[in-house]
Amino acid sequence: AQSVAQPEDQVNVAEGNPLTVKCTYSVSGNPYLFWYVQYPNRGLQFLLKYITGDNLVKGSYGFEAEFNKSQTSFHLKKPSALVSDSALYFCAVRAAFYGQNFVFGPGTRLSVLP
Amino acid sequence: EAQVTQNPRYLITVTGKKLTVTCSQNMNHEYMSWYRQDPGLGLRQIYYSMNVEVTDKGDVPEGYKVSRKEKRNFPLILESPSPNQTSLYFCASSFQGAISTDTQYFGPGTRLTVL
Repeated sequence: AQSVAQPEDQVNVAEGNPLTVKCTYSVSGNPYLFWYVQYPNRGLQFLLKYITGDNLVKGSYGFEAEFNKSQTSFHLKKPSALVSDSALYFCAVRAAFYGQNFVFGPGTRLSVLP
Repeated sequence: EAQVTQNPRYLITVTGKKLTVTCSQNMNHEYMSWYRQDPGLGLRQIYYSMNVEVTDKGDVPEGYKVSRKEKRNFPLILESPSPNQTSLYFCASSFQGAISTDTQYFGPGTRLTVL
């Protein structure tokens, strides 16, 4: 069975500092990995995905994520946080073959302090 | 504009009164899914559909029904709502080819309160 863990409920970071939101996963076979962001009273917005190739994936709004197969991790990063990055972040995984579903983590709330 | 729409956006109802939340997408996606979001639990999948007339249970299907008679629509039906179904509901869609890597697109959400 597929699963996703986001070990931190809350991450606080000062504006201008680098941020990391952690995600680990479990899946049979190769994974497709995704990060979504949810702003208050909004739906989920796609940030980035890893399918294959370069382990460092760049996405929207200056975010990037690094796929680490040996550690089964896909941590979200940004070199310099903005107050407007404050939101709820979800990691998701699906197995890389037909018919498999997306499984989401519980979410991590990011607060960027001015 | 490519989008997933849900209606209604907000709904307050009473226990036992049947309701339907509609979901429609205009991207010709094969795959559609319903999730519920509860604090601390993230998104949990209720039902999903790989294509027309093909539906299957997700992780939390109890108390819900779905149908997929047309490719664009995937309504969520609560035959007899109960207070524990008070939640924020999201519909999502994506392509689902044999080697699909496509992203899921989400609707704006429906906030349901069952009294």
